[in-house]
Amino acid sequence: AQSVTQLGSHVSVSEGALVLLRCNYSSSVPPYLFWYVQYPNQGLQLLLKYTTGATLVKGINGFEAEFKKSETSFHLTKPSAHMSDAAEYFCAVKDSGAGSYQLTFGKGTKLSVIP
Amino acid sequence: EPEVTQTPSHQVTQMGQEVILRCVPISNHLYFYWYRQILGQKVEFLVSFYNNEISEKSEIFDDQFSVERPDGSNFTLKIRSTKLEDSAMYFCASNLGTGITDTQYFGPGTRLTVL
Repeated sequence: AQSVTQLGSHVSVSEGALVLLRCNYSSSVPPYLFWYVQYPNQGLQLLLKYTTGATLVKGINGFEAEFKKSETSFHLTKPSAHMSDAAEYFCAVKDSGAGSYQLTFGKGTKLSVIP
Repeated sequence: EPEVTQTPSHQVTQMGQEVILRCVPISNHLYFYWYRQILGQKVEFLVSFYNNEISEKSEIFDDQFSVERPDGSNFTLKIRSTKLEDSAMYFCASNLGTGITDTQYFGPGTRLTVL
């Protein structure tokens, strides 16, 4: 069974500082990996995903994530935080081998950006 | 931009009552999902639906739950006799169905409170 761990339920950064949100997964085969963001009163929106190919994936709003198989990680980064980045971020995986469409999510990390 | 919509945004019900949560997926999408998030916990997969039948379901999705696509646009989740532990945010999602790496698009959620 797959699982996703997001370290830190709440992360605070100053505006302009580096954003680093951590995600580790447990899976018997390399999964497909996703980061979603949820702004208040909105649905989960896809930021980026890794399926195959280049392990550094760029997404919307200046975010990127790197798939590191040896570390079973898919950490999300952004060089310079904006106030508009304040939201909750969810890491998710999908089993690449089972033909299953379901996403398995982490608990989420709430990002606060301090002016 | 097309989006998944859900109604109502909040639902309060008494224990033992039936509730129906409604979703309108993106119009050309073929796969539909329900997920839920109990406060402070992970987003959990409940069920997926394709070609007018359930394609996958989790252990959570027991006989108290049912899904239906009553017409060409709506996708509903029915909880037959609600329990206190059904209190959660319920998310509907849909994807086009071109492959397992398809992006799932999520609605804003319905917050269900069972008293």
